[in-house]
Amino acid sequence: DIVMTQSPDSLAVSLGERATINCKSSQNVLYSSNNKKYLAWYQQKPGQPPKLLIYWASTRESGVPDRFSGSGSGTYFTLTISSVQAEDVAVYYCQQYYNTPITFGQGTRLEIK
Amino acid sequence: QLQLQESGPGLVKPSETLSLTCTVSGDSISSSNYYWGWVRQPPGKGLEWIGSIYYTGSTYYNASLKSRVTISIDTSKNQFSLKLSSVTAADTAVYYCARPTRDCSSAICKGGWFDPWGQGTRVTVSS
Repeated sequence: DIVMTQSPDSLAVSLGERATINCKSSQNVLYSSNNKKYLAWYQQKPGQPPKLLIYWASTRESGVPDRFSGSGSGTYFTLTISSVQAEDVAVYYCQQYYNTPITFGQGTRLEIK
Repeated sequence: QLQLQESGPGLVKPSETLSLTCTVSGDSISSSNYYWGWVRQPPGKGLEWIGSIYYTGSTYYNASLKSRVTISIDTSKNQFSLKLSSVTAADTAVYYCARPTRDCSSAICKGGWFDPWGQGTRVTVSS
């Protein structure tokens, strides 16, 4: 199985500041024949299901604010929130869909400092 | 607008079978572009993919649960279902149904990201 490891487990950021969440995969999730990175990011607020933010590692889902961006290589990925807003308080998960079983990171909790 | 809604008992006894149904509205479950899947989240913990199904009935399960899981689909009712047998307290979780996209740009078709998700249903395993 591909193990997804996120860091940090939690972070506190001041309003308007940048937040960076990292995700490392135990195997390459870049498929060389189509040059696609099989990595997605989700936001989960308390009592709600996860919400898709990013797919193909860097493609923003329709309707997601442009302060959210994704980047990364075949094994190391980053979700960046350029200017954190109060409504961004949530747990963030990465997910690989390169291989089954589909696996998720353990989550990173974002709080406001 | 596509919506998914889970339904089923909120309490299941140990050693019994957990059964949930996901009703899809706003689109046909027979779309060739998507799978249909189940993900669970134990209290205070992360997300675990249980398995997915294609409208043809082809299934893909997490090997960690494969011996206990059955996912089925009823295209006439626009529903798909989850059965998890021999449950224990470790199966207590919020169970989500969700739609994984289906990507065929690689050598084989793969399930992708999940969108949308149902609201989730909490299932407790207890006597």
